Amino acid sequence: EPEVTQTPSHQVTQMGQEVILRCVPISNHLYFYWYRQILGQKVEFLVSFYNNEISEKSEIFDDQFSVERPDGSNFTLKIRSTKLEDSAMYFCASRPGTGYTEAFFGQGTRLTVV
Amino acid sequence: DAKTTQPNSMESNEEEPVHLPCNHSTISGTDYIHWYRQLPSQGPEYVIHGLTSNVNNRMASLAIAEDRKSSTLILHRATLRDAAVYYCILLYNQGGKLIFGQGTELSVKP
Repeated sequence: EPEVTQTPSHQVTQMGQEVILRCVPISNHLYFYWYRQILGQKVEFLVSFYNNEISEKSEIFDDQFSVERPDGSNFTLKIRSTKLEDSAMYFCASRPGTGYTEAFFGQGTRLTVV
Repeated sequence: DAKTTQPNSMESNEEEPVHLPCNHSTISGTDYIHWYRQLPSQGPEYVIHGLTSNVNNRMASLAIAEDRKSSTLILHRATLRDAAVYYCILLYNQGGKLIFGQGTELSVKP
């Protein structure tokens, strides 16, 4: 069964550093998303990406964040100048794009900022 | 985005049916009703979705009220592996984002 793959599974970084979280969505999917979940809290939408551009972003997704689909298979989330409050699970998801179909989520990357 | 309301938590016994309710009184005619679940330490997982008619798949059944203002996710025989947080989400367009609420935390007792 096809799946969304995220790497690394766990990333520890120092405050102020830049991190790149990587995702390989399911092949032929057209819509891509990043979500985050702070420990003990709900899953929060960050950004959606379609046709090589951001289609929607939340208030959380400020200038500190950026997304890219550099090579047609990977989908990355870059966080510049990380802060302690960026510590969370980050989930990537993709959707085929035909009809109101389900989203497929990866297993997440746990980001710890120290 | 239309809002959904779910109980914070529910308990079930193993091998018994579970009915997880969701209220969505402000649903619009084009909103699809999606259910996802999140097992401990995992990403959300699709369960089922529907528009007006009841739906069945290998994981669960979805019963949608005639006025569409509420729905119920039915797990026919709960197993310990079904212990998770279940989210009822309204999806208004094809590429739209999923907005997760607090969901219902289901615990299953042996």
